Amino acid sequence: DAGVIQSPRHEVTEMGQEVTLRCKPISGHNSLFWYRQTMMRGLELLIYFNNNVPIDDSGMPEDRFSAKMPNASFSTLKIQPSEPRDSAVYFCASSPWTSGRDGDTQYFGPGTRLTVL
Amino acid sequence: LAKTTQPISMDSYEGQEVNITCSHNNIATNDYITWYQQFPSQGPRFIIQGYKTKVTNEVASLFIPADRKSSTLSLPRVSLSDTAVYYCLVVGASSMFSGGYNKLIFGAGTRLAVHP
Repeated sequence: DAGVIQSPRHEVTEMGQEVTLRCKPISGHNSLFWYRQTMMRGLELLIYFNNNVPIDDSGMPEDRFSAKMPNASFSTLKIQPSEPRDSAVYFCASSPWTSGRDGDTQYFGPGTRLTVL
Repeated sequence: LAKTTQPISMDSYEGQEVNITCSHNNIATNDYITWYQQFPSQGPRFIIQGYKTKVTNEVASLFIPADRKSSTLSLPRVSLSDTAVYYCLVVGASSMFSGGYNKLIFGAGTRLAVHP
């Protein structure tokens, strides 16, 4: 199993530009999570999907952030326009959570390090 | 979601057993306790999960007392490669559809340094 795949691994862009981060979850997993990690704020949950449907996006910092999951094998996190304070490592995670089973376990991707100049 | 408290940092030496304790005083009946490990420049990696008493796998052991208000991650005979940040999470997936995961907070974790 290839694990969770994220692209790009590194992204450097200028303020005001659109940034799109991509994630391919582990095949068969039905839950997907987007996180952001910084030294100041630690690891923050931004949004999560279950069966391709966004369940809760209350962690998304601003309207400049949006996420989609058009199918079970692909998700995107978009920032438009980007700002220097968006610089962080963005992680995608997937989970095989099934109805009635507690104790969900998440499998994280390698992350995308975003730098906004 | 139960808030967790764990030490900011710990130091150990190769070959020693390391115990990291996490407090979660308001854990709910349906909550599980999960520990993750994170190396620099990598995403967190699942280590172990438990509900009560003791759980052991090839990597670690997890001890949970009867009142479940705390848990202890035990790493036997650590090596230099165990230097990482360790996160304790308390979460119940049954709350997922009621928005429970919007409070999934990893916190600062415990930064473990293993010395030669």
